[in-house]
Amino acid sequence: GDSVTQTEGPVTVSESESLIINCTYSATSIAYPNLFWYVRYPGEGLQLLLKVITAGQKGSSRGFEATYNKETTSFHLQKASVQESDSAVYYCALGGPQGGNTGKLIFGLGTTLQVQP
Amino acid sequence: GGIITQTPKFLIGQEGQKLTLKCQQNFNHDTMYWYRQDSGKGLRLIYYSITENDLQKGDLSEGYDASREKKSSFSLTVTSAQKNEMAVFLCASKDWGREDTQYFGPGTRLLVL
Repeated sequence: GDSVTQTEGPVTVSESESLIINCTYSATSIAYPNLFWYVRYPGEGLQLLLKVITAGQKGSSRGFEATYNKETTSFHLQKASVQESDSAVYYCALGGPQGGNTGKLIFGLGTTLQVQP
Repeated sequence: GGIITQTPKFLIGQEGQKLTLKCQQNFNHDTMYWYRQDSGKGLRLIYYSITENDLQKGDLSEGYDASREKKSSFSLTVTSAQKNEMAVFLCASKDWGREDTQYFGPGTRLLVL
């Protein structure tokens, strides 16, 4: 079936350190998967961080990057130097045309990131 | 731009009670979704609606009813609240087409006593 697996949290890093949150997917019923990272900051709603709809492409936002790798079925989230304000819960999600283009998203369990000052 | 509004923000119910959650969006999006989020379990799709008066069951539809009264609103009913149930219900919407970005509301937190 279709699924998303991501780094189990919490992940704790110090400010200015680098970060990688792993995400791998299985898209057996989706011909052309779209991949997303959503984020929920403390006290706020879930919002889109970045997305990539074409294999081989890289998405970026707020200093975060993720590359859609079809060969390894991965979409890891990276940042070279994290800030305390990056502390949040990050969700990897899989979507794409699924017979009728319902736009359903399949989410990973979320990774809580804690950045220490 | 637009926003998604969910009411109520907090909902406390009694075991066996029927509870209704409401969602409004002003994006003029065609498709709307209801997700449930439990601690440590990610988001699970309950119901979705491709257009007004359409309803589709998600992976977690048992114990819920939904209603898409008009394009801008999508309601979810917990048909019989379970004792000690605690979860966050998220509403989302997206435009028709290949673009799959969903926009989320702030959520309704449910606690059943």
